[in-house]
Amino acid sequence: GAVVSQHPSWVICKSGTSVKIECRSLDFQATTMFWYRQFPKQSLMLMATSNEGSKATYEQGVEKDKFLINHASLTLSTLTVTSAHPEDSSFYICSARTAVMNQPQHFGDGTRLSIL
Amino acid sequence: DAKTTQPNSMESNEEEPVHLPCNHSTISGTDYIHWYRQLPSQGPEYVIHGLTSNVNNRMASLAIAEDRKSSTLILHRATLRDAAVYYCILEWAYNQGGKLIFGQGTELSVKP
Repeated sequence: GAVVSQHPSWVICKSGTSVKIECRSLDFQATTMFWYRQFPKQSLMLMATSNEGSKATYEQGVEKDKFLINHASLTLSTLTVTSAHPEDSSFYICSARTAVMNQPQHFGDGTRLSIL
Repeated sequence: DAKTTQPNSMESNEEEPVHLPCNHSTISGTDYIHWYRQLPSQGPEYVIHGLTSNVNNRMASLAIAEDRKSSTLILHRATLRDAAVYYCILEWAYNQGGKLIFGQGTELSVKP
């Protein structure tokens, strides 16, 4: 099946650091990618939707200057958490889909971000 | 966005069938019903989806009520690897790029 690779899988860094997470679709062209955040024992919360070559659309309450999303190609999207603080510690998950409507999204295995 | 309601948790015995219910009484005619599952510390995994007719694949079956206000995900023989949180999600056919809004899901535990 379709594969989405997310990197890194785990990152620990100091408060104030910016952290970049990559999401790659390995065997299909991802016209749309999504970024989610998940806190312990909670469900996934959609942060933003990005279409290749366009600016990302952020969900209400998500700071676009804090979470920078770039979707420069049909196989790569990046999420940069700028000036990260302990409250940004979470499990970040990306997903990707093709342009065909009502087809499944394919998810990465997530990145666990811990800010000290 | 149309909402779904699922039980918080369910238990099953290994090798037995499991029926996971989902209510979606406000579903519209163009909403697809998707099921995903999430194992601990992993991203969600697609299970199955459908619109009106029942669907089968290698992982599971999806039974959709005639009025489409509810559906049931059927795992025919539960294994220990099926222990996960199962999410029932509606996707509007023409939704802005097909974004999925996750609810709380059903945590399925499987006893050996």
